[in-house]
Amino acid sequence: DTAVSQTPKYLVTQMGNDKSIKCEQNLGHDTMYWYKQDSKKFLKIMFSYNNKELIINETVPNRFSPKSPDKAHLNLHINSLELGDSAVYFCASSQEGRPQHFGDGTRLSIL
Amino acid sequence: GEDVEQSLFLSVREGDSSVINCTYTDSSSTYLYWYKQEPGAGLQLLTYIFSNMDMKQDQRLTVLLNKKDKHLSLRIADTQTGDSAIYFCAAITGGGNKLTFGTGTQLKVEL
Repeated sequence: DTAVSQTPKYLVTQMGNDKSIKCEQNLGHDTMYWYKQDSKKFLKIMFSYNNKELIINETVPNRFSPKSPDKAHLNLHINSLELGDSAVYFCASSQEGRPQHFGDGTRLSIL
Repeated sequence: GEDVEQSLFLSVREGDSSVINCTYTDSSSTYLYWYKQEPGAGLQLLTYIFSNMDMKQDQRLTVLLNKKDKHLSLRIADTQTGDSAIYFCAAITGGGNKLTFGTGTQLKVEL
């Protein structure tokens, strides 16, 4: 199936740990994104990569580091997890001038 | 920067029309989108409109854009219980890919 897929779907971990979320798209899009949705359902962009190059980097703690090994993949690594990092993280992709397509989200819970 | 606002809740009876409203602040917004999020799910693109249009219809969905007032609306005809979800308005500004989301409107459809 053509889609944006994220793994894992659920991630439960303890404060202070380091974790990664993976995202892959097989839509042939050039641009990929990470969004954070908080407990009030508010969605905010974190990062965007175009052809492996970082183009959007919002005010996000340095503990969050995106990595794009190729234009079909954008991973998100989070160091020293804090309680406030609990959220749903969405990956998305798009082609220039076209709508963004979203993955199903990764629900991160910090204990 | 862009600011996108929506009312938080809307309740309608099955079979009635629903109208979800959205306002935005950046007059250079090029594309405006409507996404649907069902409980525990990702974001589904419903429809979008380019800023040089004032109306777009797609089956039960009608999007109206008043560029002068920076007001966007989504009308769902013959609303069904399956339409119960959170609806997000989103805007892209300038030539970039940065998507700014509204706060989301929780639509509840009652029998």
